[in-house]
This record gives sequence, C-alpha cells and structure tokens, in this order.
Amino acid sequence: AQKITQTQPGMFVQEKEAVTLDCTYDTSDPSYGLFWYKQPSSGEMIFLIYQGSYDQQNATEGRYSLNFQKARKSANLVISASQLGDSAMYFCAMRGFSGGSNYKLTFGKGTLLTVNP
Amino acid sequence: DAGITQSPRHKVTETGTPVTLRCHQTENHRYMYWYRQDPGHGLRLIHYSYGVKDTDKGEVSDGYSVSRSKTEDFLLTLESATSSQTSVYFCAISESEEYGYTFGSGTRLTVV
Repeated sequence: AQKITQTQPGMFVQEKEAVTLDCTYDTSDPSYGLFWYKQPSSGEMIFLIYQGSYDQQNATEGRYSLNFQKARKSANLVISASQLGDSAMYFCAMRGFSGGSNYKLTFGKGTLLTVNP
Repeated sequence: DAGITQSPRHKVTETGTPVTLRCHQTENHRYMYWYRQDPGHGLRLIHYSYGVKDTDKGEVSDGYSVSRSKTEDFLLTLESATSSQTSVYFCAISESEEYGYTFGSGTRLTVV
C-alpha cells in the first residue's frame, strides 16, 4: 500500500520569497515516482514536477524544485520567488512501478498556499 | 488544449436516479482513471482502466461502475445517486505507467 502525507493544511508566504511544501510518503515498491500538482481556484489540475526514485539529482522545473530525500521518504516542493499566481492548492502524489500498485497515483490531502503581496 | 474533455461540467440530480459522466480523450492513451475530490480527502481513485474493456476498482468504488468500450471513452455511472456522492469528479489519462496524468477539467455533481 502507498501513502502520502502532507502535514501542512495551509501555508502563507510573502511575494518574492521562497516556500517549501512538505510531503512524506510510504511505499513498499522499490521503484516509484513522485509528482506535484497545482490546483488553482479555477479547479484544473496542473502537473508541476516529477522525481523518479532512482534519479540521481533532484528535479527542477523553472521556479519549482523537488527536494528528494529518499532515506527520509520525503519529497518536498520548493517554490522560489513566489508570485501571487502561485496561490493554489498543491498536491503531492506517488506511483509505484510494481504490479501491485497497478499504475495508480495516490494523492495526499493537499496544502493550500496563499501568497501575500 | 482539448486532449481530454469531461461532460457534463456541472450536474444536479436527485437521490436515487442514475447518472453517467463521460470522459473523452483524443490522445490515444492506454490508461484512464476516475477520481473524486472532496475537502479534506484530496483525490481518491474510484475506478481505472488499462485498456478497452479492462477496468478495475479503486479505493472508493462502492456505488460506482465504469465502462470502456473504446479507447477514447471512459464512462462513470452512479447506479442510484446518493447525497454522499456529491463531489467533484476528475477524469485523468496516462500514456504509460511511468508517466504522470493529464486531468480533465472536472465535473461538479450535486445530489439533492
């Protein structure tokens, strides 16, 4: 079984500052992938960043980076230079690559980020 | 982009009536999924499909059924809607098991 834990229901950050959104996971799969999605108030789900469990380097996509600490089973999202448009719900998710996980993404409950001007 | 569309976008229905939600994709992706999103629960998997006529249950499948007779369409049916099924429903597609999902815009369903 897979489990994603996001312990921060809500976070606040000042515009132009960096913010870290926490995500811890649990899985028995030796190989897996970790994802972050953004959901603005309009409701759509937007893919942000992906990290494979065997990737040697932390993933980066523009202002987004994933701080992957495999031994701690954490996959925190770092947003640099926050913008007002970053205000949204953020979901961490994972997918195991063994037959038992059956290609499914398991989501955390989300963190609501508010960027203040 | 319109690679995945859900219909209807909004629906209000009465308790006990059947409801079908449609997910249509133009990407020819093998995998399709139905999730529901509720406050405090994140997204929870209802059913998924790994090919035409190949479907399986997710973690919250009770009260729901699915069908996939063509690659492009994945239907979610509430056989007899209940108020607990009031939710936002998302369809998602994936090219393979190593990729993330592309989500539809969601269907807001209200059961009164």
